[in-house]
Amino acid sequence: GAGVSQSPRYKVAKRGQDVALRCDPISGHVSLFWYQQALGQGPEFLTYFQNEAQLDKSGLPSDRFFAERPEGSVSTLKIQRTQQEDSAVYLCASSVTGPTTQETQYFGPGTRLLVL
Amino acid sequence: GENVEQHPSTLSVQEGDSAVIKCTYSDSASNYFPWYKQELGKRPQLIIDIRSNVGEKKDQRIAVTLNKTAKHFSLHITETQPEDSAVYFCAAVEYGNKLVFGAGTILRVKS
Repeated sequence: GAGVSQSPRYKVAKRGQDVALRCDPISGHVSLFWYQQALGQGPEFLTYFQNEAQLDKSGLPSDRFFAERPEGSVSTLKIQRTQQEDSAVYLCASSVTGPTTQETQYFGPGTRLLVL
Repeated sequence: GENVEQHPSTLSVQEGDSAVIKCTYSDSASNYFPWYKQELGKRPQLIIDIRSNVGEKKDQRIAVTLNKTAKHFSLHITETQPEDSAVYFCAAVEYGNKLVFGAGTILRVKS
């Protein structure tokens, strides 16, 4: 079946612009995660959804970052007034169930964001 | 919160040799430890995982060992092949299924 998909794959933004990154998880997956991966580093947690509920947003670096999953499937990560330090790959992952079991997280290909 | 350290940062081996990557974690409550392989420009892909009630797990040429007392776990790849060249990340799970990753190991298999 189809895996996790993300769009766009690449995004170039001018400093100060707003961007929206989309994630389509595997159909039926309850949990959805966003991670930020800087060049040469491991992914870092941003936020977590169980269905439409955002249960953890402790990793969002500032109030310029906002994520939503209104119908419990597709999710959007929005970054307002982008800064150069926001340049990174943004990875989305989904897993079958909720947080009570340790389930495999399946990653999307990522959106590479470059802020000029 | 959880902190995961991974070493070495780079590892070069000759084709056919074994490769070992080690990770330590800080939170004794963590109980799930996946390993991901990421090729350049590609998504991280799970290659093996281990839960804290198990000390070792094998899948063909790949094995993972876990020492809960010492809070460290290791990835072992035997009979390495050029296609094993990639960046490998270890991770530990905090509450809520949140993955905390190590910084990664660049593995180069020379043919």
